Amino acid sequence: AQRVTQPEKLLSVFKGAPVELKCNYSYSGSPELFWYVQYSRQRLQLLLRHISRESIKGFTADLNKGETSFHLKKPFAQEEDSAMYYCALSTGTYKYIFGTGTRLKVLA
Amino acid sequence: NAGVTQTPKFRVLKTGQSMTLLCAQDMNHEYMYWYRQDPGMGLRLIHYSVGEGTTAKGEVPDGYNVSRLKKQNFLLGLESAAPSQTSVYFCASSYTGKETQYFGPGTRLLVL
Repeated sequence: AQRVTQPEKLLSVFKGAPVELKCNYSYSGSPELFWYVQYSRQRLQLLLRHISRESIKGFTADLNKGETSFHLKKPFAQEEDSAMYYCALSTGTYKYIFGTGTRLKVLA
Repeated sequence: NAGVTQTPKFRVLKTGQSMTLLCAQDMNHEYMYWYRQDPGMGLRLIHYSVGEGTTAKGEVPDGYNVSRLKKQNFLLGLESAAPSQTSVYFCASSYTGKETQYFGPGTRLLVL
């Protein structure tokens, strides 16, 4: 079955500390993976996707097909990074599968 | 270029009432989606459309209907609202089924 798992509902870190939001997927084909971010009371917006291999707002994510993971990382968290983060999998047709999300709180 | 817009922003309904949520996009996207967002459950797909005049069921379609009469608009209808439909509803659109989705601002619906 196709599935996206984000094991942490809430992740709290101190400002300046490294951040890693975990995402694991289950899909037998060639996945397209995305990270979306939702700031408080705002719409979801794309943070990054694996094929672009770029860094957005200091965040990076590497697709590890062996471990079926697409963890989101940032070396030094900022208070403005506090938000809800969703990992999503596209199977290439119409279908996107979203994880349940991880709320990141960056403490001063 | 407004992107994806949704109306209304907030609505309170009584059980059994009906309403329609409107989603509009000005990016000439073929694909449009309706999701509901509930605490601890992430985003769940209600219905989607791969082009004007087409609609299909997603993961949680019961109690909802949709229409895509014009390419830029995707309507979500609740014929007889239930408290279990209290949620935040997001519309999204994309060029294809594997490209970035662009989301609307959401509609908060409370069913009493």
